[in-house]
Amino acid sequence: DTAVSQTPKYLVTQMGNDKSIKCEQNLGHDTMYWYKQDSKKFLKIMFSYNNKELIINETVPNRFSPKSPDKAHLNLHINSLELGDSAVYFCASSQGGSRVGKLFFGSGTQLSVL
Amino acid sequence: AQSVSQHNHHVILSEAASLELGCNYSYGGTVNLFWYVQYPGQHLQLLLKYFSGDPLVKGIKGFEAEFIKSKFSFNLRKPSVQWSDTAEYFCAVNTGNQFYFGTGTSLTVIP
Repeated sequence: DTAVSQTPKYLVTQMGNDKSIKCEQNLGHDTMYWYKQDSKKFLKIMFSYNNKELIINETVPNRFSPKSPDKAHLNLHINSLELGDSAVYFCASSQGGSRVGKLFFGSGTQLSVL
Repeated sequence: AQSVSQHNHHVILSEAASLELGCNYSYGGTVNLFWYVQYPGQHLQLLLKYFSGDPLVKGIKGFEAEFIKSKFSFNLRKPSVQWSDTAEYFCAVNTGNQFYFGTGTSLTVIP
């Protein structure tokens, strides 16, 4: 069983559309994250959720909204998609609350905005 | 399927010992290679990266890594570790638009 799974793996869409990326973890972790791979191929943290509460929002446009229906899921909604949103997005999870435990990553979602 | 292997899951060293963490990948094309570090309670930080050029790359805090294409490897090294190097170390490989992580190596440095 995949520990951290995110869907879809690829997402191609038009500018202005609204899309969601789903993430689920079966590790029983308390905290989940969304990372974005930037244009230099580096990973940067976007959001961190602990027990369904947002604890980090790193200067992300408010078009991006994480939704956590329960602690095993953290979905990423993106409204009014822009060309610059094209990137690979990674979900991750870890145990622990305010201190980040060892991260377990999903396989990434490649978003292409046309 | 592409994969990244970090064979050492947990490494324990005394201060001043030398460190080498293995990373192997299974992609035959052009790759970009990374080592990230996760200090206790913190998020990922980039240690070093290889895109092209000199296969021996130097990163922050005295770390270096060598890309050996024939061995599909990108091992991380440090001549003398410190207690503050205690962390999780993740190797990652970027091929085109795909990004693959190793499962991480936990390093514990004993004072």
